[in-house]
Amino acid sequence: QQQVKQSPQSLIVQKGGISIINCAYENTAFDYFPWYQQFPGKGPALLIAIRPDVSEKKEGRFTISFNKSAKQFSLHIMDSQPGDSATYFCAASRGGAQKLVFGQGTRLTINP
Amino acid sequence: DGGITQSPKYLFRKEGQNVTLSCEQNLNHDAMYWYRQDPGQGLRLIYYSQIVNDFQKGDIAEGYSVSQEKKESFPLTVTSAQKNPTAFYLCASSIRQTDTIYFGEGSWLTVV
Repeated sequence: QQQVKQSPQSLIVQKGGISIINCAYENTAFDYFPWYQQFPGKGPALLIAIRPDVSEKKEGRFTISFNKSAKQFSLHIMDSQPGDSATYFCAASRGGAQKLVFGQGTRLTINP
Repeated sequence: DGGITQSPKYLFRKEGQNVTLSCEQNLNHDAMYWYRQDPGQGLRLIYYSQIVNDFQKGDIAEGYSVSQEKKESFPLTVTSAQKNPTAFYLCASSIRQTDTIYFGEGSWLTVV
């Protein structure tokens, strides 16, 4: 079964610190790796995504690091702010959005 | 503004009753999806449609049904056959054959 394993389940970081969430996948055919951000009671919103032809992608304070040989990718949030407190989901797919496989989610709390 | 509208936001039903959740999008997307989210778990695909009125089962279709008279509307019926219907339901859409999906705000269903 295709799986994406996400860790940790929950994470507490001090304001200004770096938040790091990791995901590991099994299917080497995956070619699209997005991260979604979800606030309580809301739907997930696409945050940033990467394809395996690059090892890193940065958008503002958010960076995805991708390690193809290890079949791992991670989200780094620099200078974490209380407004970043949310649940983050990684996902992976090949061949269209209907094939997206989601991780279990990480509840991130940024303490002021 | 373009987006995905789900209604109702909160719904309570007695066990044994069917319930229908509404989803409408005005993004001119071709594909629509229904996901289920349970606390501490990732998103699981229930049904999707990439061609109007041509539905495909996702990972957890049992106990659910969908309909689609036009590409903008994709209601989900949670039937009495669904053993554990209490959950947060998310509708999503995408441009067909792309990887990125966009989510609605979700509907909370509680069955008592």
